[in-house]
Amino acid sequence: DAGVIQSPRHEVTEMGQEVTLRCKPISGHNSLFWYRQTMMRGLELLIYFNNNVPIDDSGMPEDRFSAKMPNASFSTLKIQPSEPRDSAVYFCASRQGRNTEAFFGQGTRLTVV
Amino acid sequence: AQRVTQPEKLLSVFKGAPVELKCNYSYSGSPELFWYVQYSRQRLQLLLRHISRESIKGFTADLNKGETSFHLKKPFAQEEDSAMYYCALNGKAAGNKLTFGGGTRVLVKP
Repeated sequence: DAGVIQSPRHEVTEMGQEVTLRCKPISGHNSLFWYRQTMMRGLELLIYFNNNVPIDDSGMPEDRFSAKMPNASFSTLKIQPSEPRDSAVYFCASRQGRNTEAFFGQGTRLTVV
Repeated sequence: AQRVTQPEKLLSVFKGAPVELKCNYSYSGSPELFWYVQYSRQRLQLLLRHISRESIKGFTADLNKGETSFHLKKPFAQEEDSAMYYCALNGKAAGNKLTFGGGTRVLVKP
């Protein structure tokens, strides 16, 4: 297994544009998490899914952010419209069970200019 | 609400010196705690979990429910320990929400 796969690895976009980040979890994992990493705030949980169902999206900064998980093997995080303060590294992680190791993707570095 | 706090953003120590990374948590139930590490140009990965009570790469962490802490310790730091360390809490009562602290960067100098 190649692990959690995120795409793109890097994204540079202009303010106001729509950005879509993608994640393919490890096969068989039933939980998926989206995090945002910044120097100031560390690793913030944005939203997580159990069995493709969103459980808690209280970490989503505002309505410009949305996430979907249409099936067990794919999830997207969308920002529309994007703003410079959204610039960060976005991580996706998945795991099987509850008190188990979460496996992380390599992250998407987003720069909004 | 569950919260994880890592008060130190940066720890700089010399090789061979002890290192301790602080982690405090806020959670109403019985916590499930972890330490994750991110080495340069690598993915974030699990270092250890409190239920295992194990030592990984010389690191140990003890859960202190009275002080709501889960500090990470190593008696003799090595240069290869230089990395970003994150403390994490899994909240069973919150649908198994996995929350991380702000992270501590460790720099081990030769």
